[in-house]
Amino acid sequence: DQQVKQNSPSLSVQEGRISILNCDYTNSMFDYFLWYKKYPAEGPTFLISISSIKDKNEDGRFTVFLNKSAKHLSLHIVPSQPGDSAVYFCAAPKGKLIFGQGTTLQVKP
Amino acid sequence: EADIYQTPRYLVIGTGKKITLECSQTMGHDKMYWYQQDPGMELHLIHYSYGVNSTEKGDLSSESTVSRIRTEHFPLTLESARPSHTSQYLCASSNGPMMNGYTFGSGTRLTVV
Repeated sequence: DQQVKQNSPSLSVQEGRISILNCDYTNSMFDYFLWYKKYPAEGPTFLISISSIKDKNEDGRFTVFLNKSAKHLSLHIVPSQPGDSAVYFCAAPKGKLIFGQGTTLQVKP
Repeated sequence: EADIYQTPRYLVIGTGKKITLECSQTMGHDKMYWYQQDPGMELHLIHYSYGVNSTEKGDLSSESTVSRIRTEHFPLTLESARPSHTSQYLCASSNGPMMNGYTFGSGTRLTVV
């Protein structure tokens, strides 16, 4: 039973436009959610997190939105840059971190 | 600058060989983790440790074993490598609130031929 799901394996956007990466979850007891970014042959790096008591958290070009009623969160990147091209994972804690399958973002110049 | 180190970065090895993947962290974190990841798939937790002499198996069954004799060191061993072990192995550590997430190493890309 996969509790954190990223149903879009890939996303391609033009440089300067908005990238929206989505994540769904099944466990309403998660206290917070995290987004990680991963380049090929590298380990994931922490990007941004959001507490379950909030519906939005912003850090520079990155904003995460949480819709608890829909059990859905999204990561917005504005404006997108070629260096943002990577795999993005959402994660939630259940003792240990549970990760989604990841979405590969390609930002075209 | 990385505070958690994994070696080797890449390893190609023959079937039946014994291998040890190294993971060390300099942050003094009590909690350490091993994840396995295949392309396009989620990260699967295979082992974790909450302190010295404490190791537990993760959610994904793995034929590998781990040890935690020192706080900073959490090696993973495969006694007899098989092609099905081909994957990326990621080591991570954490301390304090989970909301700060984990710090990951750069990973070891293992290929068993």
